[in-house]
Amino acid sequence: GAGVSQSPSNKVTEKGKDVELRCDPISGHTALYWYRQSLGQGLEFLIYFQGNSAPDKSGLPSDRFSAERTGGSVSTLTIQRTQQEDSAVYLCASSAQTGEGNGYTFGSGTRLTVV
Amino acid sequence: SQKIEQNSEALNIQEGKTATLTCNYTNYSPAYLQWYRQDPGRGPVFLLLIRENEKEKRKERLKVTFDTTLKQSLFHITASQPADSATYLCALDSTGFQKLVFGTGTRLLVSP
Repeated sequence: GAGVSQSPSNKVTEKGKDVELRCDPISGHTALYWYRQSLGQGLEFLIYFQGNSAPDKSGLPSDRFSAERTGGSVSTLTIQRTQQEDSAVYLCASSAQTGEGNGYTFGSGTRLTVV
Repeated sequence: SQKIEQNSEALNIQEGKTATLTCNYTNYSPAYLQWYRQDPGRGPVFLLLIRENEKEKRKERLKVTFDTTLKQSLFHITASQPADSATYLCALDSTGFQKLVFGTGTRLLVSP
């Protein structure tokens, strides 16, 4: 597609439920990133996928968080047993390749509210 | 510890003036530094990238400087317009474009 697409745009869930957030990157972009942004805070790195390499999961805050990227394209971020502190905007970005100066292209994010 | 600092207070300027935003960092040796614009309810939009061996980069009304000795980048918008009002984020890459670390951003308000 023309841009990075994320769905849903908004998600309200009850504490303890599992949620899945989807990211459809720009076609041909080999790198895909997940960040989250809490109100008034900066972007917090969560996980990074590059081609067929093992993902960099160093930013995942707990083992309730996981992500996968199927076929080098679409990615799903799963949060199990959601907690209120998981409420944030989850942003996905993709980029053409490492080492080049094209910047990231971000989606508009999924606003997650845990009640 | 590693830090990226941007002025948390909003910058208010009048239309037509030059806006200057600051990004300071500590305990990083970035290969790249990038600037993004973020509007409410939207994801950040990439504006400019400057490499560690570049002192200055320009794009239309935008200019970025990068001083690796001072560990500082300045972001300038000349002839500012109300449409430039947004939050501007700086981001560092120290590992060859693998993952960016973002500052918290500075909100710019340009008054007519």
